[in-house]
Amino acid sequence: EAQVTQNPRYLITVTGKKLTVTCSQNMNHEYMSWYRQDPGLGLRQIYYSMNVEVTDKGDVPEGYKVSRKEKRNFPLILESPSPNQTSLYFCASSLSASYAYEQYFGPGTRLTVT
Amino acid sequence: AQSVTQLDSHVSVSEGTPVLLRCNYSSSYSPSLFWYVQHPNKGLQLLLKYTSAATLVKGINGFEAEFKKSETSFHLTKPSAHMSDAAEYFCVVSRNAGGTSYGKLTFGQGTILTVHP
Repeated sequence: EAQVTQNPRYLITVTGKKLTVTCSQNMNHEYMSWYRQDPGLGLRQIYYSMNVEVTDKGDVPEGYKVSRKEKRNFPLILESPSPNQTSLYFCASSLSASYAYEQYFGPGTRLTVT
Repeated sequence: AQSVTQLDSHVSVSEGTPVLLRCNYSSSYSPSLFWYVQHPNKGLQLLLKYTSAATLVKGINGFEAEFKKSETSFHLTKPSAHMSDAAEYFCVVSRNAGGTSYGKLTFGQGTILTVHP
């Protein structure tokens, strides 16, 4: 089944403790992206990747890192999480970076930073 | 720069009545526009998309949307609401800056649709 998977689905952590949220897709998609969803703000793009080893900042990149060493994986790294990073995170992928292609979303990771 | 405004944060309808979710956008270039739906505790699912072909776009589950360039609108409609339509809906514009397709999406704030029996 074609899908985007994220792990963990739920995570509670403390301020400053480094964490990684994994994202993997099995559709051979070139383009992958991370979003955070906050009430009343919709989804905001954190980082995106056009292909392996090619990443760029989205609209809200501060406090996050990403890497794209393999085509299928695009982990999101919080080096020193803070409470304002408490949010619902979505990973997405699409066939290419072309604006015409729809993005396929993972199920989400709910992160709480205390 | 581009932006998306969903004009209603909440819409409430009765089952069997029409649904209208409003979306206005601004974009410096010809955009692609999408509507996504998010059911509670689920990821986002594509309803429909406009990519400069027909201005009236039909999607899944009986939804459709009309691209009106003169009004910079992309409203989502459905003739008859079903209980299963209750969800949050996002209007999305995809950027195509200067001939290079970046695939960056800008989301509206979302509209929560409630369907009453």
